[in-house]
Order: sequence, then C-alpha cells, then structure tokens
Amino acid sequence: KQEVTQIPAALSVPEGENLVLNCSFTDSAIYNLQWFRQDPGKGLTSLLLIQSSQREQTSGRLNASLDKSSGRSTLYIAASQPGDSATYLCAAGTSYDKVIFGPGTSLSVIP
Amino acid sequence: DAMVIQNPRYQVTQFGKPVTLSCSQTLNHNVMYWYQQKSSQAPKLLFHYYDKDFNNEADTPDNFQSRRPNTSFCFLDIRSPGLGDAAMYLCATSRDGFPAYQEGEQYFGPGTRLTVT
Repeated sequence: KQEVTQIPAALSVPEGENLVLNCSFTDSAIYNLQWFRQDPGKGLTSLLLIQSSQREQTSGRLNASLDKSSGRSTLYIAASQPGDSATYLCAAGTSYDKVIFGPGTSLSVIP
Repeated sequence: DAMVIQNPRYQVTQFGKPVTLSCSQTLNHNVMYWYQQKSSQAPKLLFHYYDKDFNNEADTPDNFQSRRPNTSFCFLDIRSPGLGDAAMYLCATSRDGFPAYQEGEQYFGPGTRLTVT
C-alpha cells in the first residue's frame, strides 16, 4: 500500500531564502507525482506535475524533481516571498486516475 | 476560463438532515473526484467517476453517495450528516489520454466547507 510522507510538517524562513520541501513515497511504481499549494480555507492549486518517465519540471521560481528509485521528490522554491506562505502537498499517482496525498508542509515566509 | 466550480462555498446543515453538494467543470475532463479534507489533514478520496463508471473507496461510509448525470456535473449526497462529517469537501477533475504529459493532472475546485449543527 502506497504511503506518502512530507518532512518537515512546518517550516519558517526569512524572505529571499531558497528552500526545499521533501516528499517521500514507499512504492516506487508511481504513475506521476504532483505538487499542490493550498491557502487556508481554499482548494488546491496544481503547481507541477512530473510524469513517471520524467526527472524534473520547472515553473518560474519552482523546480520539482523526482527520483523513483529512492522514493523521493523535492520541491525547490527560489527567492522565497511572503506570498509563498501556504501549505504544500505532494501526491503520488498510483494510476492515471488515483493519487495518494501526503500530509503537507506548512510554509511561512517572514518579511 | 475553464475551471472547476463548487456550490455552495459554505453549507450549514443540521445533524441528520440530508445535504447535497455540487460540482461542475468546463474542462471536459472524463474523471471527477470527491475528497474530504479535515483540518490540517491530507485530502481523503471518497470516490471518483471515470466517465459514468463509479469507483467507491473501500472505507467510504455508506452515508456518502454520488451522482454524475453528465460529463459536466457531479454531486455529493450526504444522507444523514453527523458531527464527524463536518469538513471541507473538494471536487477535482483530471483527464485520461492525450496529451500524455498532462494525463492524470488533477484540477481542484475551491471547496465547500460543511458545518453540521
């Protein structure tokens, strides 16, 4: 059974710092890996999707990598801003129509 | 803009009084999902539709039902809400097929926050 974990549960950094969020999954036979952002009381916003055949995806200041053999994905945020404060969730796709979510990392960027 | 819409955004119901939450999408995606998310927890999949095929999760209580009358709409029915059903309910969609690089990417609506009194 696939299990997804995220460490740390919470992170606080000063504005301008680069940071890395971690996601681990137990079964390397994933279909894809997706990173989401969730603001308090809101729905999830898709940030990046990495298909199983890919190693990384980039969007603006965000870069996500995938290493299936080690069961890990990282989300790198460059030059963090207060507007980046949110909860970041990763989700491992077990098939094209099903994902397992991690518990999320709550990020605070301090001005 | 193509999107996933959920109504209402906030719903208050009484203990045991049936309630229906709605979701619509303009993305023409063939897969639609319902998730339950409680405070500070990961979203939990309740069920999903692949076109008209319904897929229920093994641990989803019988109290939760769903309907998908057409591609664009999907409903979540809670037959007898209990206090433990108070949560954010998230609807999401994804597509199967072309283009492959987007296959499986999930798009979420803003959610409906359900309060049970």
